[in-house]
Amino acid sequence: EPEVTQTPSHQVTQMGQEVILRCVPISNHLYFYWYRQILGQKVEFLVSFYNNEISEKSEIFDDQFSVERPDGSNFTLKIRSTKLEDSAMYFCASSERGSLMSNQPQHFGDGTRLSIL
Amino acid sequence: KNEVEQSPQNLTAQEGEFITINCSYSVGISALHWLQQHPGGGIVSLFMLSSGKKKHGRLIATINIQEKHSSLHITASHPRDSAVYICAVRSGTTSGTYKYIFGTGTRLKVLA
Repeated sequence: EPEVTQTPSHQVTQMGQEVILRCVPISNHLYFYWYRQILGQKVEFLVSFYNNEISEKSEIFDDQFSVERPDGSNFTLKIRSTKLEDSAMYFCASSERGSLMSNQPQHFGDGTRLSIL
Repeated sequence: KNEVEQSPQNLTAQEGEFITINCSYSVGISALHWLQQHPGGGIVSLFMLSSGKKKHGRLIATINIQEKHSSLHITASHPRDSAVYICAVRSGTTSGTYKYIFGTGTRLKVLA
């Protein structure tokens, strides 16, 4: 069964450094999402992306964050200048369709654990 | 107040017991998703439902749209069911797409 893959599984970065988290969504999916989960807390929505542009973003997704689909397969999340509070598990998800009435679920990757030192 | 509430937060059961996890939400939704998160952190989709009931193996999920409530049941529980079970509702956005709002999860431990 096709799956969403994320790399790396664990990223350790110094505070203030840029980090790029990578995701390969399922090949026929058109909608892409990033979520984060701070240790011990619930999963939070960051951003959704369709047709090479952001569809929706949460208040967490400030100017330090950006997303990109640099080619036909990868979907990336960049954090420009990392802060200690960016330490979390970041999940990528994709879905075939994104419309409200679609019954297509999101499929999640295994996550990237980001540790900021 | 959280838009999606789950209960209980923690649950310990003996192997073989029937387990119920509840989810209540306060926003308008088009669907509700039950997810399983294992200790390593990975998230697996269990069910997505917008009405009625779905069954897969020993798992049963029900939803009552009018009462804004869903339940996940596990029959004949087994230690391998130990995980965090997360309820996520799909809610519309201003751009016409949707996003998920997650509950805080129910940590289930099934003892042999």
